[in-house]
Amino acid sequence: KAGVTQTPRYLIKTRGQQVTLSCSPISGHRSVSWYQQTPGQGLQFLFEYFSETQRNKGNFPGRFSGRQFSNSRSEMNVSTLELGDSALYLCASSLESLTGASEAFFGQGTRLTVV
Amino acid sequence: GIQVEQSPPDLILQEGANSTLRCNFSDSVNNLQWFHQNPWGQLINLFYIPSGTKQNGRLSATTVATERYSLLYISSSQTTDSGVYFCAVVGAGRRALTFGSGTRLQVQP
Repeated sequence: KAGVTQTPRYLIKTRGQQVTLSCSPISGHRSVSWYQQTPGQGLQFLFEYFSETQRNKGNFPGRFSGRQFSNSRSEMNVSTLELGDSALYLCASSLESLTGASEAFFGQGTRLTVV
Repeated sequence: GIQVEQSPPDLILQEGANSTLRCNFSDSVNNLQWFHQNPWGQLINLFYIPSGTKQNGRLSATTVATERYSLLYISSSQTTDSGVYFCAVVGAGRRALTFGSGTRLQVQP
């Protein structure tokens, strides 16, 4: 069974540009979450999608957005890139459970460098 | 929101030694996971353990939900165990993982 797949693995962008990252969850998983990891802030939650709807959002500016497609694949977009957006972006997928929490599985991440 | 504290922040061991990593959390949780982050950044699942005890080879974990802590035990450590270990929880009524700041483990030959 294939794991969570994130593309691209590495990306270099210039300040002011925008970027789109992609995440394909484990087959059958309908929940996709995105996290940002930086040396200063650690791992922080960006947003979570389920059945094409954003259910939860972290404390990030509106430049960060996402969407989920009917096949559960998700994309996140960052517009007007800033140097501080340089980070490892991780995607996680999980099954839905009755308690609303289930085991999350992460992709290999996309390392974004803004110059 | 829920707070997650991991200790120690750094740990250096000789190969073959045992270690215990601790994770304290500030509120009730529906989910607790331990991860090992490899050098390329991927988070590898170690345990999904909102309560109780689990073992997987040289690794075991215990979560005492009523006292709001979890422990990860590594026995007979190997150099390949080096890396950063994260504890992450989902607070009651929430759906997002909140991560601790990690324990950086270095196992020397």
